[in-house]
Amino acid sequence: QVQLVESGGGVVQPGRSLRLSCVVSGFTFSNYGMHWVRLAPGKGLQWVAVISHVATNEYYEESVKGRFTISRDNSKNTLYLQMNSLRPEDTAVYYCVKDHYYDSSGWLDHWGQGIPVTVSS
Amino acid sequence: DIVMTQSPDSLAVSLGERATINCKSSQSVLYNSNDKTYLSWYQQKLGQPPKLLIYWASTRASGVPDRFSASGSGTDFTLTISSVQAEDVAVYYCHQYYAIPRTFGQGTKVEIK
Repeated sequence: QVQLVESGGGVVQPGRSLRLSCVVSGFTFSNYGMHWVRLAPGKGLQWVAVISHVATNEYYEESVKGRFTISRDNSKNTLYLQMNSLRPEDTAVYYCVKDHYYDSSGWLDHWGQGIPVTVSS
Repeated sequence: DIVMTQSPDSLAVSLGERATINCKSSQSVLYNSNDKTYLSWYQQKLGQPPKLLIYWASTRASGVPDRFSASGSGTDFTLTISSVQAEDVAVYYCHQYYAIPRTFGQGTKVEIK
């Protein structure tokens, strides 16, 4: 069955960096677009970034542009989110999410369990 | 950006009663070239990741009980739980996949009265 397992979260000081990883199984990773979505404490779901199946295209939510980078290694079935210049408002549970289509134009059909990231001094 | 607005923010329903959640988009999410509506619904229970319920505005995802149904077109959408069960306690989100940035409604919390 489809599995997405995030890692790399934790507590980090403002201005520092963190890299999240998501290892997937149960489907052909290179055939699907992938997203990161986050849930901040007391808030609703917020889409963060997307990457197409062979990394031709990537897009970001405005508040993370220039600070976060989404990438993927199809040979390792792994999605990444490099987060630089972290701010307290980036504190959230981050979910790795599979798109239904290769070009990331579809609904979000499978979600990882999520990994918490806390930005605090 | 397409703004998604849900109502109400929360509702308390008796077991077996109907629950209705509304979602309004700030612009149409109907793609005219394929006549598809780029709107999905998700259920998130406490401590769990979101789960896909509905895509193309009204198509139930695999394994979703038929007490969940959805309708709507253009900019106005509805998710209905025909007979609320205890396991339906959750936050429900609508989501548009018509445009980047992808956006979600603020969520509707469903509780048992």
